Amino acid sequence: DSGVTQTPKHLITATGQRVTLRCSPRSGDLSVYWYQQSLDQGLQFLIQYYNGEERAKGNILERFSAQQFPDLHSELNLSSLELGDSALYFCASSVETDTEAFFGQGTRLTVV
Amino acid sequence: DQQVKQNSPSLSVQEGRISILNCDYTNSMFDYFLWYKKYPAEGPTFLISISSIKDKNEDGRFTVFLNKSAKHLSLHIVPSQPGDSAVYFCAASAGLGSQGNLIFGKGTKLSVKP
Repeated sequence: DSGVTQTPKHLITATGQRVTLRCSPRSGDLSVYWYQQSLDQGLQFLIQYYNGEERAKGNILERFSAQQFPDLHSELNLSSLELGDSALYFCASSVETDTEAFFGQGTRLTVV
Repeated sequence: DQQVKQNSPSLSVQEGRISILNCDYTNSMFDYFLWYKKYPAEGPTFLISISSIKDKNEDGRFTVFLNKSAKHLSLHIVPSQPGDSAVYFCAASAGLGSQGNLIFGKGTKLSVKP
């Protein structure tokens, strides 16, 4: 158990809908990262927050957004969902921005 | 364009032998490299890392080698154990230790046979 909690574990939704994925980082970790793993793809970095502020942005679509709240949990919002958004979404956290990151178990999103 | 490539999707090794997983990168700005291990239905787990100022880092059965001129790194597992069977991801970042900008390869599935 990495200490990073992601909910829900599985999500099935229809095209055009909007979903919110939630991540609770390890206690004391200030940095949260979101990654997407599509079928046959490696882990694609989406976005990073540090202590509530956006720190780095990767290949995140405009239809996607994220935020980190004062209690340091983070949410990833995916809207106008398309079939191609079906993937595993991982959250990771670390104490600082230059320390080892711990991953959650992921949320498997299926868009039908 | 893939900046981090793991050209072998799978690798099968006998228990007790050496497993060698390879990774190539294209971005010369990368200066921090990591290996993660992933079991089914679990998130990736950090295994070992190396900075560009080193060419080798060892942790128990795991050793990572970095060849900067060839833009190549490898993970050696000796001796391999059945519990090592997992998908191994190579990752790199520019900006030492900046794990938020990790670029991952597609992974190599290692099977260690008893």
